[in-house]
Amino acid sequence: GAVVSQHPSRVICKSGTSVKIECRSLDFQATTMFWYRQFPKQSLMLMATSNEGSKATYEQGVEKDKFLINHASLTLSTLTVTSAHPEDSSFYICSVSPRRTGGEKLFFGSGTQLSVL
Amino acid sequence: QKEVEQDPGPLSVPEGAIVSLNCTYSNSAFQYFMWYRQYSRKGPELLMYTYSSGNKEDGRFTAQVDKSSKYISLFIRDSQPSDSATYLCAPLGGFQKLVFGTGTRLLVSP
Repeated sequence: GAVVSQHPSRVICKSGTSVKIECRSLDFQATTMFWYRQFPKQSLMLMATSNEGSKATYEQGVEKDKFLINHASLTLSTLTVTSAHPEDSSFYICSVSPRRTGGEKLFFGSGTQLSVL
Repeated sequence: QKEVEQDPGPLSVPEGAIVSLNCTYSNSAFQYFMWYRQYSRKGPELLMYTYSSGNKEDGRFTAQVDKSSKYISLFIRDSQPSDSATYLCAPLGGFQKLVFGTGTRLLVSP
């Protein structure tokens, strides 16, 4: 069964609205979660690293005020795209890392296709 | 130069063929090398990973790493139409960060 649950799988919104994406670790506690973005025919690009109980670490070029990440518990991280615009349309994917393991044990969610009109 | 280079394909093969998928990378510090399979509009699924140089086999899949040439390969034996997907190589960088290639799209025809 799925180890990581990501919702919604698809969302269509109007420009200027905010969208929240949830990532849940179902089988284990995850101190670290990662958020990626993938444009068509391109590789997954890491946006930010989400650590439980502390501020997220954003990759260079990713606006932290636009992509709000909250990792409030050991099983849930959320990504909020604030004031979304058409250029934010992309496939967003989370991954989780179980406690006391290295990156070789990363599990991915099923992804969220965001379309901003 | 990208950290990880991968031919985007598509690579088209008939069912039963042996498939060779390849990546090159530039960072000699990479130690773990992952292969993920991604179906259209789905999250990546870990196929297998190797540590340092060498081979690792899992069923019809064999992963090979040559750190001296910074070359990574994934071989699929007896390919099936269900293997049609995009295959992503991803060395593991610092702080558990995966560095993904663009992926190679594989099409296996019946």
